[in-house]
Order: sequence, then structure tokens, then C-alpha cells
Amino acid sequence: DIVMTQSPDSLAVSLGERASINCKSSQSVLYSSNNKNYLAWYQQKPGQPPKVLIYWASARESGVPARFSGSGSGTDFTLTINSLQAEDVAIYYCQQYYGTPPTFGQGTTLEIK
Amino acid sequence: QLVESGGGLVRPGRSLRLSCTASGFTFDDYAMHWVRQAPGKGLEWVSHISWNSGAIAYADSVKGRFTVSRDNAKNSVYLQMNSLRPEDTAFYYCVKDKIAAAEGRFDYWGQGTLVTVSS
Repeated sequence: DIVMTQSPDSLAVSLGERASINCKSSQSVLYSSNNKNYLAWYQQKPGQPPKVLIYWASARESGVPARFSGSGSGTDFTLTINSLQAEDVAIYYCQQYYGTPPTFGQGTTLEIK
Repeated sequence: QLVESGGGLVRPGRSLRLSCTASGFTFDDYAMHWVRQAPGKGLEWVSHISWNSGAIAYADSVKGRFTVSRDNAKNSVYLQMNSLRPEDTAFYYCVKDKIAAAEGRFDYWGQGTLVTVSS
């Protein structure tokens, strides 16, 4: 199975500042035939199910605010949240869908400083 | 919309059947998944079933004990859970895939149903 490791486990960022969450996969999730990274990011707020933010490492899902962006390729990825808002407090998960089983990172808790 | 049901408290070794009923989209155009989350813990994929039940897979942790199925006429997907263990205690989410094959792009999640395995 592909192991996904996120860092940090938690972080606190001031309102209006930038938050960055890293995700590393134990093997590449870049599919050479289509040059796509099979990597998604999800946001989970307390008491709610996860909500998808980004697919293909950098493609924002419809309706997701532009302050959320994804980058990276191969085994190293980053979710960046610009101009942090109070409603962004949540746990963020990366997930690979390159192989079965799909696997998640352990989650990163984002709080307001 | 995805609505799960069937969760509850069950003794170790017993069985439970979860159901998920979909609405608002053409159900038989999409693969479906079950993903679980132990209280206060992370996410674990459990199983998937493609649009026509042609492709089915399970996590190693549940293989041989859980069975996924779907009834497209009823817009429903099911998870039969046998020989339940305390470590199966979790919220179980029904999740829609982005496509008909089980690609693993989790598009929309139900609210979840809690399964508690305890004596």
C-alpha cells in the first residue's frame, strides 16, 4: 500500500496569513501515460464529513475558494491556503488514488493563532 | 444526497448491514465507496463497487468479513459486516466516486453512520 505522510500534524496561523500543509507519498503517484498526479486534498470540519478541495494535485473542485491551491508532483505535494479565514479551521487530509487501496495521510489540524 | 443507515451498537462477532440511499444524481453512472473513521481518528477506505458491480475491492482489514453490494434500481449501496471486532468501531461514510469505474476520487460524502462494536 502507498503510505501518505503529512506534515506538520498541526499548525496555527494568524487570520489573513498563509498556511501550508505538506504531503509525501511512499511512492510516486504520477501516472506517466497521462502525466497526472493521482492526489487529492480534503477538508473536514468538526462534526462533518470530508469535503473535496483539490484533485490531480492542483485542480480545484468547483465551488472551492481560490485561496486554496495545490502543488507538487511525484511524491511531494503541498496544500496552500492564502489569506486564512476563520472558516478554514479544520483537519486537512491528502489522499492518493493512484493505487488500490486508496490511502489517506494522517491529517493536519489547522487552527487560528 | 447520500443517506446512510443501519449503524448501532453490536456485540463482537455479530453482524450488521449498512445501507446508503442516493438521490440527486444518476446513481448507476457512478462507482461507490465505503470509508470509515474511528472517533477522533483518521480516514480509512473500506471497500468500493463499480457502477455495474463488475469491480469490487476491500481493505485487507475487512477482507473476508465484509461484503459490498448495490441495487441500482433502488439507488442503494450496502455493506454487510460479519464477524465484527472492536476495531471496526467507526463512523462509516458512503462516498460517491467521480466516475463509473472505482477510480478513488471521492466526490461526495454522506453524513455517516456510527457502528460501535462492544460487549
